[in-house]
Amino acid sequence: GAGVSQTPSNKVTEKGKYVELRCDPISGHTALYWYRQSLGQGPEFLIYFQGTGAADDSGLPNDRFFAVRPEGSVSTLKIQRTERGDSAVYLCASSEQGYNEQFFGPGTRLTVL
Amino acid sequence: AQSVAQPEDQVNVAEGNPLTVKCTYSVSGNPYLFWYVQYPNRGLQFLLKYITGDNLVKGSYGFEAEFNKSQTSFHLKKPSALVSDSALYFCAVRDTSRAGNMLTFGGGTRLMVKP
Repeated sequence: GAGVSQTPSNKVTEKGKYVELRCDPISGHTALYWYRQSLGQGPEFLIYFQGTGAADDSGLPNDRFFAVRPEGSVSTLKIQRTERGDSAVYLCASSEQGYNEQFFGPGTRLTVL
Repeated sequence: AQSVAQPEDQVNVAEGNPLTVKCTYSVSGNPYLFWYVQYPNRGLQFLLKYITGDNLVKGSYGFEAEFNKSQTSFHLKKPSALVSDSALYFCAVRDTSRAGNMLTFGGGTRLMVKP
């Protein structure tokens, strides 16, 4: 069956620009997560959605980062005024319920020049 | 705060030999523990989890892990390594005493299996 998909797979942008990263979770999964993985490190939690609402956004680094999931399925991570330090792989994951294993997408590699 | 430590950046093992990838954790409440594997240019793939019950859990591709509460460890093991097991392995924990379902990951361990 179809897994979690993320688009684009790669995104190169210039410092100060706005970017949107998209995540399509596994059909029927109510929980959706965003993580950020910097080179040589493990993924770091950004935000968690249960349905349409952000249940936990404690991992967002600052107010330049925002995410939405308006219909409880597809989610978009939005980054304003990008900085070079935002360069990383952004991973999306979904799960049936909170305590079950999370299934990850292939990630979007963001490069800020 | 919850945390995960993977003390080895890299583990080298010969094909056919047993392998162990170490993981220790720190949480306030009871842990849910996970192992994921990451192949180059691919997302993380779930291997196995410990939620409750038997301390020895079996997962995909012949991997298993043992939960040890007293040592706060959850080491990944396989009796006989394959060259195709070479990849990056991540241990993760969810602290059930916290609201939300975030996973905290370790820094990863690169497993190199040589023919």
